[in-house]
Amino acid sequence: ILNVEQSPQSLHVQEGDSTNFTCSFPSSNFYALHWYRWETAKSPEALFVMTLNGDEKKKGRISATLNTKEGYSYLYIKGSQPEDSATYLCAISGSARQLTFGSGTQLTVLP
Amino acid sequence: EAGVVQSPRYKIIEKKQPVAFWCNPISGHNTLYWYLQNLGQGPELLIRYENEEAVDDSQLPKDRFSAERLKGVDSTLKIQPAELGDSAVYLCASSSHIGQTDTQYFGPGTRLTVL
Repeated sequence: ILNVEQSPQSLHVQEGDSTNFTCSFPSSNFYALHWYRWETAKSPEALFVMTLNGDEKKKGRISATLNTKEGYSYLYIKGSQPEDSATYLCAISGSARQLTFGSGTQLTVLP
Repeated sequence: EAGVVQSPRYKIIEKKQPVAFWCNPISGHNTLYWYLQNLGQGPELLIRYENEEAVDDSQLPKDRFSAERLKGVDSTLKIQPAELGDSAVYLCASSSHIGQTDTQYFGPGTRLTVL
């Protein structure tokens, strides 16, 4: 059973601030890391899928990095906006071909 | 392209009553998943279908939960009888393949409250 941990559990930032969260996972039995954004009353939205050590992905103001050797990924948001308020979930797919999710980081961006 | 559709969006029932959730995946997606998300936790897999075959149901509490995916398209998840601890969000997802890097596309979920 893979253990995926996310920190912090929740975060409040002011509009315009940059922020980042962490996803930690066991480096063995790793195939891919997925980041999702889940806004209240909406469907979880896929942000990134990363597989290689050193991978960096970017989508607008959001970017992510991956370190498979030490077992962590960072998600960065530059210049946070109120519409970035959501729960950010990371998930690991291992040899069992199923996603194991962390508990998420709940971000609130204050105007 | 339409996304994953789930209904109902919200359901409130009394304990011991039955309840059913429906999911229509993205057209052409062979793989369908049902997840359970408890408050403050990440989604946990209940069952995975490849076409109409349940290939991973190890996390499904089979004493009260059942699922079906007739004709390999829509799926229904049922709880009978419901218990207080079943209050949660039930998410359906689909993907076109089963590889570890394939994106799973989620529906908005059904929020179940058992009183």
